[in-house]
Amino acid sequence: DAGVIQSPRHEVTEMGQEVTLRCKPISGHNSLFWYRQTMMRGLELLIYFNNNVPIDDSGMPEDRFSAKMPNASFSTLKIQPSEPRDSAVYFCASTSQGYEQYFGPGTRLTVT
Amino acid sequence: QKEVEQNSGPLSVPEGAIASLNCTYSDRGSQSFFWYRQYSGKSPELIMSIYSNGDKEDGRFTAQLNKASQYVSLLIRDSQPSDSATYLCAVNLGVWDARQLTFGSGTQLTVLP
Repeated sequence: DAGVIQSPRHEVTEMGQEVTLRCKPISGHNSLFWYRQTMMRGLELLIYFNNNVPIDDSGMPEDRFSAKMPNASFSTLKIQPSEPRDSAVYFCASTSQGYEQYFGPGTRLTVT
Repeated sequence: QKEVEQNSGPLSVPEGAIASLNCTYSDRGSQSFFWYRQYSGKSPELIMSIYSNGDKEDGRFTAQLNKASQYVSLLIRDSQPSDSATYLCAVNLGVWDARQLTFGSGTQLTVLP
């Protein structure tokens, strides 16, 4: 089975531009998580969906960040406008009935 | 403040030795505990999950949980250079939905040939 798929793998953009990160969870998984990882703050949960519904977005840093899950096989994380401090690795993870989360390969975002 | 704490290391052990990684957590209501391995530049990879007090063994890995002491550990027997990575402890901190995990900052392990 394919694991969690994320695209793009690397993104370099200029400050002020819109950035969209994409995630396809493992087929059959009903929960999807977006994380951000930096050296300073470690791995932080941004938002969590269950059955395509956002459950907890308290980790979203500010209104510039938004996430959607229009169906069970696709989610996006959008940053508009982007800032240099948004530079990080963004991971998507999914899980099914259990609590074991499986991570995608991540998107390395650099905002200049 | 709810949190998960790990010794950041680095922890160095010789090849063939036992590596012991430790994690403490703040919420007595926590029910699910996980260890992830993360190689440099890669994503976290789930290697162990444990839900009950005691030991759980999987190959060279043993997870140990003591809920009374709010302590979970990972032992790696016969350590290999390929085990060199950062190990992340993850715990659900008693939130209403056990799927939501909080990660520790990770312990960097180096296994010396």
